[in-house]
Amino acid sequence: DAGVIQSPRHEVTEMGQEVTLRCKPISGHNYLFWYRQTMMRGLELLIYFNNNVPIDDSGMPEDRFSAKMPNASFSTLKIQPSEPRDSAVYFCASSLAWGSSYEQYFGPGTRLTVT
Amino acid sequence: LAKTTQPISMDSYEGQEVNITCSHNNIATNDYITWYQQFPSQGPRFIIQGYKTKVTNEVASLFIPADRKSSTLSLPRVSLSDTAVYYCLVGAVYNQGGKLIFGQGTELSVKP
Repeated sequence: DAGVIQSPRHEVTEMGQEVTLRCKPISGHNYLFWYRQTMMRGLELLIYFNNNVPIDDSGMPEDRFSAKMPNASFSTLKIQPSEPRDSAVYFCASSLAWGSSYEQYFGPGTRLTVT
Repeated sequence: LAKTTQPISMDSYEGQEVNITCSHNNIATNDYITWYQQFPSQGPRFIIQGYKTKVTNEVASLFIPADRKSSTLSLPRVSLSDTAVYYCLVGAVYNQGGKLIFGQGTELSVKP
């Protein structure tokens, strides 16, 4: 398997524009997670899905953020409108299950810069 | 929510054993403790996970005392390639919801 795939790897946009980040989890994994990483706040869990259903979105910072998982092989994280404080690295991760020997596999991340 | 605290940085030399401790005083009964390694411009990579006592795999050991309010990642005989940031993660996720809290990370520098 190619691992978790994220696109784009880098995104530069202007304040007010819509940004869509994409993720393809590892085939067969039923959990999908979106994280944000910044120097100030570290790694933060934004939302996670189980079997394509959003379970907990309490980490989503504002209504400007939304995430979808239309099928088992694709998820998006959308920011609209984007603001400079949204600049961060966004990671997608997937896992087979939770519990003993649980392991999240992270993608390479999308580095977002909002000017 | 379990808040995690780790040392900001540590230095070591090749061949030494390195122990990184994470404090998580408010850990919940259902929470697991997981450690990740992250290199620059990459996503975190799983190292080891435990619930209580000691867990060992081919790369590390994880020690968790009976009260589970802390955990220690032990890396035996580190090499230069172990220079990275190490995160402890505390929490659990289920169909009904859950929380995962990452520590701020410990930047390990291994010198020759």
